[in-house]
Amino acid sequence: AQSVAQPEDQVNVAEGNPLTVKCTYSVSGNPYLFWYVQYPNRGLQFLLKYITGDNLVKGSYGFEAEFNKSQTSFHLKKPSALVSDSALYFCAVSLNDMRFGAGTRLTVKP
Amino acid sequence: KAGVTQTPRYLIKTRGQQVTLSCSPISGHRSVSWYQQTPGQGLQFLFEYFSETQRNKGNFPGRFSGRQFSNSRSEMNVSTLELGDSALYLCASSSGSSYGYTFGSGTRLTVV
Repeated sequence: AQSVAQPEDQVNVAEGNPLTVKCTYSVSGNPYLFWYVQYPNRGLQFLLKYITGDNLVKGSYGFEAEFNKSQTSFHLKKPSALVSDSALYFCAVSLNDMRFGAGTRLTVKP
Repeated sequence: KAGVTQTPRYLIKTRGQQVTLSCSPISGHRSVSWYQQTPGQGLQFLFEYFSETQRNKGNFPGRFSGRQFSNSRSEMNVSTLELGDSALYLCASSSGSSYGYTFGSGTRLTVV
């Protein structure tokens, strides 16, 4: 079985500050991990993925994520948040199919 | 290249009716997955099709069904609609589990 947890429903940061959106996973075997972003009334857009190799993964729009096997975490980060980053973010794990976390709403205030 | 296309974008149906939603995947993608998104439940996995066969299924009642055609296009059907079926239904296609999914914009179903 595979599952993903996003412990925060909401994250608020000020523009220009670093941001972190948390994700932990549970899966048998080696996971494929993903982050997606969703804007209102739209489908999900791919941000980045971890398959294997370097634990720090860089993705679209300046986002990055760090895979930590011992903590079974895959937190999304960005050094300097923009107001336009405000959206709903989903972490996902893929094994037989893709399962998503509940989502975290990120609000970046000017 | 063209993305994942879902039709229609919006639907309003009455309780008890049935509905069919359509999804055209990215050319060359043989896997199509369906998700239901609601404010309270988040993204719930419905089913996945690969080469016309249902490969995985989520925990939804039998009223929810789907199929995939030889050209990889997929449809999902919901019979005997209930108010709780109101949701955004998302389709995603993939060329393999390590590549991730590409999502369509979704079909917003409202049951009244």
